Amino acid sequence: EVVLTQSPATLSVSPGERATLSCRASQTVSISLAWFQHKPGQAPRLLIYGASTRATGIPARFSGSGSGTDFTLTISSLQSEDSAFYYCQQYNKWPPYTFGQGTKLEIK
Amino acid sequence: QVQLQESGPGLVKPSETLSLTCTVSGGSITESYWSWIRQPPGKGLEWIGYISTGGNTNYHPSLKGRATISVDKSKNQFSLEMSSVTAADTAIYFCAGQLLLRGVPQYFLHWGPGTLVTVSS
Repeated sequence: EVVLTQSPATLSVSPGERATLSCRASQTVSISLAWFQHKPGQAPRLLIYGASTRATGIPARFSGSGSGTDFTLTISSLQSEDSAFYYCQQYNKWPPYTFGQGTKLEIK
Repeated sequence: QVQLQESGPGLVKPSETLSLTCTVSGGSITESYWSWIRQPPGKGLEWIGYISTGGNTNYHPSLKGRATISVDKSKNQFSLEMSSVTAADTAIYFCAGQLLLRGVPQYFLHWGPGTLVTVSS
């Protein structure tokens, strides 16, 4: 099973600044990695797939990078509505599909 | 726009069977793979299993045969049954649809809002 480790667990950033979230895989997943935004009580929202491709309707200030075992989600020019949990998920080696434990992003 | 909605009892007794249904609207259930994913309180997301366009299923090995996913094409719904539940099965349960690329399931494109199931006597 591929274990995904996300860091930090919690990130507090001021509006207008940049947030950098990390996801590390226990073995290579090529670029088969997605990022989701989840606000409690709502459906998770796909942000990035293929490690760096923005999903339909996702603003350009969300960007993904990386390949193999190390991945980054960058959110530039943070807005208050970006406060949420962010999860990475791999779809290269399954079953099972696996998720990271999540990063809670707080906007100061 | 594809939308998913979970439904089912919010409370299940220990040792009984948990049953949930996901209704798919805005798209055909024959055009994707459909998964159940859960999130225990304070924990991360765990994939439970999927059912394919052809009715084949695949499950998380850790569930040891307790989960069964089925589909009702006439109602555009798919369902989860999980037997012999314990308190450890208390979680928010999400249904989700995967993008297919050349017939191979990829990332989870569509999600429902989730439903909380509590296992307690």
